[in-house]
Amino acid sequence: EPEVTQTPSHQVTQMGQEVILRCVPISNHLYFYWYRQILGQKVEFLVSFYNNEISEKSEIFDDQFSVERPDGSNFTLKIRSTKLEDSAMYFCASKLEGERNQPQHFGDGTRLSIL
Amino acid sequence: RKEVEQDPGPFNVPEGATVAFNCTYSNSASQSFFWYRQDCRKEPKLLMSVYSSGNEDGRFTAQLNRASQYISLLIRDSKLSDSATYLCVVNNGDYKLSFGAGTTVTVRA
Repeated sequence: EPEVTQTPSHQVTQMGQEVILRCVPISNHLYFYWYRQILGQKVEFLVSFYNNEISEKSEIFDDQFSVERPDGSNFTLKIRSTKLEDSAMYFCASKLEGERNQPQHFGDGTRLSIL
Repeated sequence: RKEVEQDPGPFNVPEGATVAFNCTYSNSASQSFFWYRQDCRKEPKLLMSVYSSGNEDGRFTAQLNRASQYISLLIRDSKLSDSATYLCVVNNGDYKLSFGAGTTVTVRA
């Protein structure tokens, strides 16, 4: 079964440094998403991306965050100047175009630890 | 009011038991509904979509009540492998999913 893949599985970064999280969505999917989950808390929406542009973003997704689809397969989340509170699991998800009832499929996440 | 609210549990049940729990959502315009399961520190995995007429997938039954804005999940004949956190998830449009905080279920031998 096709799956969403994320790299790295764990990223440790000094506060203030830039970090790029990578995702390869399922190949025929056209909607892409980033979510985060702080330890012990619920999964929170960050941003959705369709047709090479952001469709929606949450209040969390401020100017420090950006997303890009640099080629036909990768979907990246960049945090420009990391803060301690950015420590979380970051999940990428993708969905088929078209049907609203299509579920989103999640990658196994990147654990980001900011020191 | 939170977008999606769930009883956090935990629900501790013996193998073979039936366990059921609910979730409520605040946006009456919500369009699609899902149950995901999440094992400790892993990604959410789709358990089942929830349809207006209710639906079953093996030992799992989901119900949707649009008038009261709640969704339920029932697990019959619980297995040890059903131990997980069950996430109620609502889609308000084409884009974001709104997650509940999850209901923890522990099935004991």
